[in-house]
Amino acid sequence: GAGVSQSPSNKVTEKGKDVELRCDPISGHTALYWYRQRLGQGLEFLIYFQGNSAPDKSGLPSDRFSAERTGESVSTLTIQRTQQEDSAVYLCASSLVSNTDTQYFGPGTRLTVL
Amino acid sequence: GENVGLHLPTLSVQEGDNSIINCAYSNSASDYFIWYKQESGKGPQFIIDIRSNMDKRQGQRVTVLLNKTVKHLSLQIAATQPGDSAVYFCAENGESYGKLTFGQGTILTVHP
Repeated sequence: GAGVSQSPSNKVTEKGKDVELRCDPISGHTALYWYRQRLGQGLEFLIYFQGNSAPDKSGLPSDRFSAERTGESVSTLTIQRTQQEDSAVYLCASSLVSNTDTQYFGPGTRLTVL
Repeated sequence: GENVGLHLPTLSVQEGDNSIINCAYSNSASDYFIWYKQESGKGPQFIIDIRSNMDKRQGQRVTVLLNKTVKHLSLQIAATQPGDSAVYFCAENGESYGKLTFGQGTILTVHP
């Protein structure tokens, strides 16, 4: 079946603008994760959705970052008033149920803030 | 794991050699570990995982070894091929339910 998809694949924006990134998880996966990957570095956890439970937002770096998920489907990550340090690849992953299930990653959205 | 900037560890091998990539994990409470491969411009791809009740697990051409005493994880790739060239990340689940904590990554380059 189809894997995790993300859009857009690339986004260039000006400092101070808001951006919205989209993730479509694998069908049937109840858990969804967002990570950030800066150039040449590992992945930083941002937020985790599991079914109808309250999301774990403990990795969001500031209140400019927020995410929503519609049921067990699409998720959007919103960054308000973007800053240059927000430039990174934003990766989404989904897993069948929980964090002990394999997380499958999408191709990421490369965000560049000028 | 801690990010250390642009200077990732590197490993260069000849095609056909065996490769060993090492990872020191941080949380003794972690009970699930994963190795991911990331090619340029792509998301991480699952390779193999292991749970803390095991110390070795084998896949196709790959073996993961877990040493909980020293909190060390390794990935062995047999008969390495040019297509194995990528950045390899280890990850652990110990910090909190739902999170994976990733290591800094190792760049593997396979020369034909």
